[in-house]
Amino acid sequence: NAGVMQNPRHLVRRRGQEARLRCSPMKGHSHVYWYRQLPEEGLKFMVYLQKENIIDESGMPKERFSAEFPKEGPSILRIQQVVRGDSAAYFCASSGEYSGANVLTFGAGSRLTVL
Amino acid sequence: ILNVEQSPQSLHVQEGDSTNFTCSFPSSNFYALHWYRWETAKSPEALFVMTLNGDEKKKGRISATLNTKEGYSYLYIKGSQPEDSATYLCAFKGGDNFNKFYFGSGTKLNVKP
Repeated sequence: NAGVMQNPRHLVRRRGQEARLRCSPMKGHSHVYWYRQLPEEGLKFMVYLQKENIIDESGMPKERFSAEFPKEGPSILRIQQVVRGDSAAYFCASSGEYSGANVLTFGAGSRLTVL
Repeated sequence: ILNVEQSPQSLHVQEGDSTNFTCSFPSSNFYALHWYRWETAKSPEALFVMTLNGDEKKKGRISATLNTKEGYSYLYIKGSQPEDSATYLCAFKGGDNFNKFYFGSGTKLNVKP
């Protein structure tokens, strides 16, 4: 079991470009969460998805950010027209069920640097 | 805005010392509290899942307690070892939104040999 796989691990973009971050959840997990860690800060919730559905996107900036979790394939966090303030580590986590008792299994993160 | 506070922010102890740190969260509408251990350059890994007031969990030298009525959880490490050096995160689920976990900023523990 490969766990939660995120790629790329490191991504460098110039201002105005698009960034796409991918997350393959742990086998058997259908719930995916994206968190952002800004420098010197903790993990901030962005979005919670199940297969083909966005359940909660209350932590996503209203513009330029979108997320999807298609029926087939990984979950994707997309950032359009990146700005320097988007530079952060983006972590994906998955769980098996909607339950407080089910832990989150985290990926290794994708570190985005915007030049 | 729902706040999950962890203290202290960082902690330096000598090998063999016992230590503890705190996670504070809202005392209403509690659903679950998790503790995670996050080593540098790795992913956070789950330590404990706590769902009931009064829960006490133990894994080796590490244990945790939960008080949902007053909104806090303590993590204890007995006889700290250098390999315990990591950031310890707590994550709260509850309040008016049961869809997400709210993470504290973590307590960074450094154990000196």
